Amino acid sequence: KAGVTQTPRYLIKTRGQQVTLSCSPISGHRSVSWYQQTPGQGLQFLFEYFSETQRNKGNFPGRFSGRQFSNSRSEMNVSTLELGDSALYLCASSLDSGITYEQYFGPGTRLTVT
Amino acid sequence: SQQGEEDPQALSIQEGENATMNCSYKTSINNLQWYRQNSGRGLVHLILIRSNEREKHSGRLRVTLDTSKKSSSLLITASRAADTASYFCAGSQGGSEKLVFGKGTKLTVNP
Repeated sequence: KAGVTQTPRYLIKTRGQQVTLSCSPISGHRSVSWYQQTPGQGLQFLFEYFSETQRNKGNFPGRFSGRQFSNSRSEMNVSTLELGDSALYLCASSLDSGITYEQYFGPGTRLTVT
Repeated sequence: SQQGEEDPQALSIQEGENATMNCSYKTSINNLQWYRQNSGRGLVHLILIRSNEREKHSGRLRVTLDTSKKSSSLLITASRAADTASYFCAGSQGGSEKLVFGKGTKLTVNP
């Protein structure tokens, strides 16, 4: 079974721009979560989607948004980029939601904002 | 905010030795998971222990959970250079896939 894939793997953007990151979960997994990892704040939860609905959201500004499609693929968008948005963005998928299963992470998208 | 706090923050050992990492968490959890991350890559799930379990084994890994002390430990036996990585504990409160991570322990295994 193919693992979680994330595209692109690396991205360089300028302050003020917007960016869209994509995540394809493991086949059959219905829940997709996003995390931001920075040296200062560590791994922080952004949001979780299940059946195209956002089930949970972390403490991030409204510039961070996401969505999930009917095939469970997910995208996250960051508008009006700031230098502090430079981070590794990780996507994770799991089999179900409501009954917690192990989560499987993708390789991440490393975003650099200049 | 971080749920788990790993201890120590960094650990350096020789190949063949055992490595023990501890994790403390703040709120009640449904389960606690341990993940490994190699140098800025994605996280790899190692083991999950449910709140009603006290100990779990998987290969060279042994995890314990003490819900009364809100703490967990991960033991890696007979460590190898390939075990060099950062290790994170993450708590889940159930009803959601949200994981709250600690800051991690950076393990270096010297050949």
